[in-house]
Amino acid sequence: AQSVTQPDIHITVSEGASLELRCNYSYGATPYLFWYVQSPGQGLQLLLKYFSGDTLVQGIKGFEAEFKRSQSSFNLRKPSVHWSDAAEYFCAVGTSGGYQKVTFGTGTKLQVIP
Amino acid sequence: GAGVSQSPSNKVTEKGKDVELRCDPISGHTALYWYRQSLGQGLEFLIYFQGNSAPDKSGLPSDRFSAERTGGSVSTLTIQRTQQEDSAVYLCASTPNGRGSDTQYFGPGTRLTVL
Repeated sequence: AQSVTQPDIHITVSEGASLELRCNYSYGATPYLFWYVQSPGQGLQLLLKYFSGDTLVQGIKGFEAEFKRSQSSFNLRKPSVHWSDAAEYFCAVGTSGGYQKVTFGTGTKLQVIP
Repeated sequence: GAGVSQSPSNKVTEKGKDVELRCDPISGHTALYWYRQSLGQGLEFLIYFQGNSAPDKSGLPSDRFSAERTGGSVSTLTIQRTQQEDSAVYLCASTPNGRGSDTQYFGPGTRLTVL
């Protein structure tokens, strides 16, 4: 069975600083990988996803993530954080066979300080 | 177009009562998922519907939980004899085809509080 680990429960960064949120997965085959964002009081929204091709994936709102098979990681990055990026971020892994069994991480809550 | 909608947005109930939570997926989406989000617990998979196939109920935490999907569209999650540990946000998501690469489109959730 697949699993996802987000080791950081809470991260605080200053506005304008760079950001990296960590995600490690466990899955026997090539996974489908997702990052979702949940703003306060909102549902989850897809930021980006990877399932083949270029290992550096661009998403919405200036986010990107890099798939590293050797490290079983799919870290999310942003060069310069904006106050509106304060939210909870979830990494997820989907199976590549059969129907979509998706497992979510426990989330990382991002706080942005002025 | 319209996204996934859920009702009610908030539900407060007393321990032991039954509750019904509703999800309207995006029109044409064949797959529908229910998740539970508890504080600090991430998203816990509950149940999955895909077309006319038998649902995957492997995530339902107890037999007090059940769900149905009528006509391949609207879904209702029912919790019988609610307990305080059932308090959480219940999220519904739909996808176009239920494939591994599909994006999940989430509703805003129903916040359930059991007193």
